[in-house]
Amino acid sequence: DTAVSQTPKYLVTQMGNDKSIKCEQNLGHDTMYWYKQDSKKFLKIMFSYNNKELIINETVPNRFSPKSPDKAHLNLHINSLELGDSAVYFCASSHLDRGYGYEQFFGPGTRLTVL
Amino acid sequence: GESVGLHLPTLSVQEGDNSIINCAYSNSASDYFIWYKQESGKGPQFIIDIRSNMDKRQGQRVTVLLNKTVKHLSLQIAATQPGDSAVYFCAENMSAGGSYIPTFGRGTSLIVHP
Repeated sequence: DTAVSQTPKYLVTQMGNDKSIKCEQNLGHDTMYWYKQDSKKFLKIMFSYNNKELIINETVPNRFSPKSPDKAHLNLHINSLELGDSAVYFCASSHLDRGYGYEQFFGPGTRLTVL
Repeated sequence: GESVGLHLPTLSVQEGDNSIINCAYSNSASDYFIWYKQESGKGPQFIIDIRSNMDKRQGQRVTVLLNKTVKHLSLQIAATQPGDSAVYFCAENMSAGGSYIPTFGRGTSLIVHP
């Protein structure tokens, strides 16, 4: 009965490769997010997405792209991986009522290591 | 401790003491604030939230205080337990075109000694 799940939990790959991280939520939420957490625990939002709009953090390289096949899934595709992409990536979801914020529910994280 | 500098601020307390974790937020237009707890190897977990029309909110053993004048948020944990050891984040949320965009603070590591 996991609320937000991510796969894989660990991902080790070579520079230059293309990889994907999958995320699924069974909470019926309409908004999903991707975050990057660096080695100093700094948590930075990368994308916010619902079925109507994608909000991108302008500092995210265009090698990163979210793909949402349906409301319950938001996958993260990363092209041409670089050493600096090594981090823990978290998926999250929340309700979204315009004009009224809600807390986010986070997945367990995917630790990406680029060699 | 506030989230400044390159290293994660750390607060060490004895079991049973009260803990206060501070957070300075950046945007005066932020109107919704959340405290999250992140245990080692896990994702952040919601603890308590507060909206800008309030200055205090209490939960079970936790209290959040909001001072909009100085853009300051604090989390008070009563009778701290070893299980409270984690990294704590404050998040400010601002409505942007109808969507809420969260910005997380630097985080504070709480260490509870038995």
